[in-house]
Amino acid sequence: NAGVMQNPRHLVRRRGQEARLRCSPMKGHSHVYWYRQLPEEGLKFMVYLQKENIIDESGMPKERFSAEFPKEGPSILRIQQVVRGDSAAYFCASSPTSGPTYEQYFGPGTRLTVT
Amino acid sequence: AQSVTQPDIHITVSEGASLELRCNYSYGATPYLFWYVQSPGQGLQLLLKYFSGDTLVQGIKGFEAEFKRSQSSFNLRKPSVHWSDAAEYFCAVLGDKLIFGTGTRLQVFP
Repeated sequence: NAGVMQNPRHLVRRRGQEARLRCSPMKGHSHVYWYRQLPEEGLKFMVYLQKENIIDESGMPKERFSAEFPKEGPSILRIQQVVRGDSAAYFCASSPTSGPTYEQYFGPGTRLTVT
Repeated sequence: AQSVTQPDIHITVSEGASLELRCNYSYGATPYLFWYVQSPGQGLQLLLKYFSGDTLVQGIKGFEAEFKRSQSSFNLRKPSVHWSDAAEYFCAVLGDKLIFGTGTRLQVFP
């Protein structure tokens, strides 16, 4: 059973370009979470999605960031018009269900560098 | 509001020595607590978790953690550290979302 897959692993964008980060959850998992890790910091929650639904986006910046988890295909985190401050590691996690006893399984992350 | 504090940013120990990484949480109800490990350039791996019951929790790789409600702590311990344990360790509490501490970087000297 493959784990959570993220691609690309490394992404370099110039200021003003768009970044698209992909996350394929573990087989059988329908809940996806995105986190951002700035240098020397812990992970910060961004958004929680189920298939075709955004459940909690309280951690998403109000502008330029969006996320989706379509019925078919991976979850996508999109950052429009990237700025230097968006440089970070972005982690995706998935779980089979929600609730207090679930475990989130993390992907290897996408490291975004904005030049 | 829920929060997690890891007071030690960086810890260095000798191989074979014992280890304790501190974690303090703030949460109004019964907390669900986790310890994750992150190796350089990698994602997070779950070491152990506490939901209820026995306050001493055993995890993978020889780690354990003890939940102390009176101290709002969930410290991670290992009796004898191996060089391969060098990594970043994150404590997390689950409320309506998973909240992480800022991490403790562990260095192990031979």
